[in-house]
Amino acid sequence: AQKVTQAQTEISVVEKEDVTLDCVYETRDTTYYLFWYKQPPSGELVFLIRRNSFDEQNEISGRYSWNFQKSTSSFNFTITASQVVDSAVYFCALSEVGTYKYIFGTGTRLKVLA
Amino acid sequence: NAGVTQTPKFQVLKTGQSMTLQCAQDMNHEYMSWYRQDPGMGLRLIHYSVGAGITDQGEVPNGYNVSRSTTEDFPLRLLSAAPSQTSVYFCASSSKRFLNEKLFFGSGTQLSVL
Repeated sequence: AQKVTQAQTEISVVEKEDVTLDCVYETRDTTYYLFWYKQPPSGELVFLIRRNSFDEQNEISGRYSWNFQKSTSSFNFTITASQVVDSAVYFCALSEVGTYKYIFGTGTRLKVLA
Repeated sequence: NAGVTQTPKFQVLKTGQSMTLQCAQDMNHEYMSWYRQDPGMGLRLIHYSVGAGITDQGEVPNGYNVSRSTTEDFPLRLLSAAPSQTSVYFCASSSKRFLNEKLFFGSGTQLSVL
């Protein structure tokens, strides 16, 4: 069965600090996809990244970076030099190939204080 | 390009009433799904569909019905609303062109059952 755990319910940081959001997943499949979504206070869900299980290279996009480690079943998300606009709920998700089920974690609420 | 359109945005029901949440997408996506978002529970999959005429249950299907008569539309029906169904509902779609593509979300429906 698929499962995604985001143990950090809420994180508060001061602007310009770096912050890492943790995501641990469970799956029996060897082929799967991992995702991160952002939900700002306005409520919409914004896609951030999609990563397949065969690509373990870390990815960087501006101030955002993702660390994928199959050995620990983790797909962590780091924001460098956080800004107030990064305040949101962040969701990690898992989808096994062929199931068409996208399973989400419970989310981490990030508060960036000015 | 409208993307995924959900109606209504807000709805208040009395216990026992029925209603249909509408979801339409104009991207010719084969895959469509419904999620509910509750505090501390993240996004939970209710039902999903991989094409017209095909639907399947997600994590929390009880109390909800779906059908997929066209590629564009995927309505969610509450036959007899209960207070436990008070939640924010999101519809999502994705292409099946590639494996487990990213989800496009609607703007959500906030439902209160009194």
